[in-house]
Amino acid sequence: AQKVTQAQTEISVVEKEDVTLDCVYETRDTTYYLFWYKQPPSGELVFLIRRNSFDEQNEISGRYSWNFQKSTSSFNFTITASQVVDSAVYFCALSDGSSNTGKLIFGQGTTLQVKP
Amino acid sequence: EPEVTQTPSHQVTQMGQEVILRCVPISNHLYFYWYRQILGQKVEFLVSFYNNEISEKSEIFDDQFSVERPDGSNFTLKIRSTKLEDSAMYFCASGGMGGGVYNQPQHFGDGTRLSIL
Repeated sequence: AQKVTQAQTEISVVEKEDVTLDCVYETRDTTYYLFWYKQPPSGELVFLIRRNSFDEQNEISGRYSWNFQKSTSSFNFTITASQVVDSAVYFCALSDGSSNTGKLIFGQGTTLQVKP
Repeated sequence: EPEVTQTPSHQVTQMGQEVILRCVPISNHLYFYWYRQILGQKVEFLVSFYNNEISEKSEIFDDQFSVERPDGSNFTLKIRSTKLEDSAMYFCASGGMGGGVYNQPQHFGDGTRLSIL
């Protein structure tokens, strides 16, 4: 069965600190996609990244970086030099071959609070 | 950049009433979805729709729910005889252009907050 676990319920940091959000996933499929979405206080879901199971290269986009490790079934997200505007709930999600419709299975989310 | 639009942003309805949530997916996407997020909880899959029919639905999507694509642009979620526990944020998403469902990541609308009184 597919499952996404975000063990950190809430994280609080001071501005300019680096912070890593953990995501562990379970799937029996060899082909799958992993996602991160940001949900700011206004409530919308903002797509951040998609990574397929065959691409283990880490990715960096500005202050954001993602570390995908198949050996540990983890897809962690790091924000460097955090800012107050990064305060949001962050969701990790999985889509695998058990569904041919591309549905997303979300983790519980991690609430990140960045204090000035 | 094209986006998914949802209306209304907030809907307040009396228990037992019918409600229709509306969505306009991104125009060249082929797969459409509804998700639900009860306050403070994770986002849950309700239903996916492809080629004018439901392709997958979750256990949550029981007989009180239905979806429709009445024309070439709108995608609606109808909830018949609403219950208090239907209060949640409902997100519409679209994805997948030609080449398969994974060809484009799912993009979400801003959500409709449904409050059942």
